[in-house]
Amino acid sequence: AQTVTQSQPEMSVQEAETVTLSCTYDTSENNYYLFWYKQPPSRQMILVIRQEAYKQQNATENRFSVNFQKAAKSFSLKISDSQLGDTAMYFCAFVFSGTYKYIFGTGTRLKVLA
Amino acid sequence: DAGVIQSPRHEVTEMGQEVTLRCKPISGHNSLFWYRQTMMRGLELLIYFNNNVPIDDSGMPEDRFSAKMPNASFSTLKIQPSEPRDSAVYFCASSLKGMPEAFFGQGTRLTVV
Repeated sequence: AQTVTQSQPEMSVQEAETVTLSCTYDTSENNYYLFWYKQPPSRQMILVIRQEAYKQQNATENRFSVNFQKAAKSFSLKISDSQLGDTAMYFCAFVFSGTYKYIFGTGTRLKVLA
Repeated sequence: DAGVIQSPRHEVTEMGQEVTLRCKPISGHNSLFWYRQTMMRGLELLIYFNNNVPIDDSGMPEDRFSAKMPNASFSTLKIQPSEPRDSAVYFCASSLKGMPEAFFGQGTRLTVV
């Protein structure tokens, strides 16, 4: 069965510092996409970053970047220069190419401290 | 673009009442999803529509749940009769054919008392 594991239920980071959220997954498929979604207190699920499994280059979106290790099935999210607005639940997810079923992790609650 | 729009944002109802949640997907998106989020089970896919047709409703918990998509710009999720264990946040999401990203609405927090 395909699974996504986020082993850090809660984390905190000082404003302006860097934090890394961990995600591992288990699949025997080769073609898939990986995502990080952010859920702030407003509740909306916001797409932060996406990574295609066939790409070796790690995705980057401004202060957000990933460390994708396909062989290790690891997909961590690094947030640089953390801001108070980054306080949220972060969900790791993947979906197989050509399908629609997202597999979500249980989330990591990140708190950015002033 | 306004994004995925859900209504209402909050709903409190009494056990046994009918509840209808509404969703307007992003214009041009042809896939629509309903998810339920609870502390115990996380995010669960309830039903998936493609081009207004229900493709996979295996996640719908019981016959009390039903979903429709009468056109490309509107979908409903109905619970009849509602029960306290249905209390959760219900999300609608949409995506464009060929693109893997799903875009979520703000969710409806349902409380059944």
